[in-house]
Amino acid sequence: DAGVTQSPTHLIKTRGQHVTLRCSPISGHKSVSWYQQVLGQGPQFIFQYYEKEERGRGNFPDRFSARQFPNYSSELNVNALLLGDSALYLCASSLWGGSNQPQHFGDGTRLSIL
Amino acid sequence: DQQVKQNSPSLSVQEGRISILNCDYTNSMFDYFLWYKKYPAEGPTFLISISSIKDKNEDGRFTVFLNKSAKHLSLHIVPSQPGDSAVYFCAASGLYNFNKFYFGSGTKLNVKP
Repeated sequence: DAGVTQSPTHLIKTRGQHVTLRCSPISGHKSVSWYQQVLGQGPQFIFQYYEKEERGRGNFPDRFSARQFPNYSSELNVNALLLGDSALYLCASSLWGGSNQPQHFGDGTRLSIL
Repeated sequence: DQQVKQNSPSLSVQEGRISILNCDYTNSMFDYFLWYKKYPAEGPTFLISISSIKDKNEDGRFTVFLNKSAKHLSLHIVPSQPGDSAVYFCAASGLYNFNKFYFGSGTKLNVKP
């Protein structure tokens, strides 16, 4: 069975641009979460979606937005990119997003802002 | 606000010996804890979890211990193998925040042959 898949794997953008990152969860998983990981730190929670509804949001500015589609795939959008947005963006899925369920991660999208 | 902390950025262990990775948390509402392993250029891979109703959980060579009073958990790997060399993250969540996990900053484990 396929794991969590993310695209693209790498992306280079310039300041002020917009970016869309995509994620397909494990088959049967209905919850998707997004994390940002900067060098030397652990992943930091951005969003969680379940059944197309936003369930949680981390401490990120409104430039960050996301959505989940009927097939449970998800997009993360970031507007007005800043140098500090350079990071590894990880998507994770779980069955229904309960607090006692492990999340399974994709390999991430490496975003570099010039 | 760092609610989950891994105070050892790196650990070096000889093959065949025990590796002990430590993690501390500050939020007493956390009740579910996980360990992930991460290789370069890959996403974190789920290793083992523990609920706050238990103080120990084993899966093969991996055992996680939870000390709720000390707000401390540890991962024991016995015996350590060179393939275990990776960055290990602990993560925590609470009933009140669904599937939102707080991660530590990671410990890089090097198992020497």
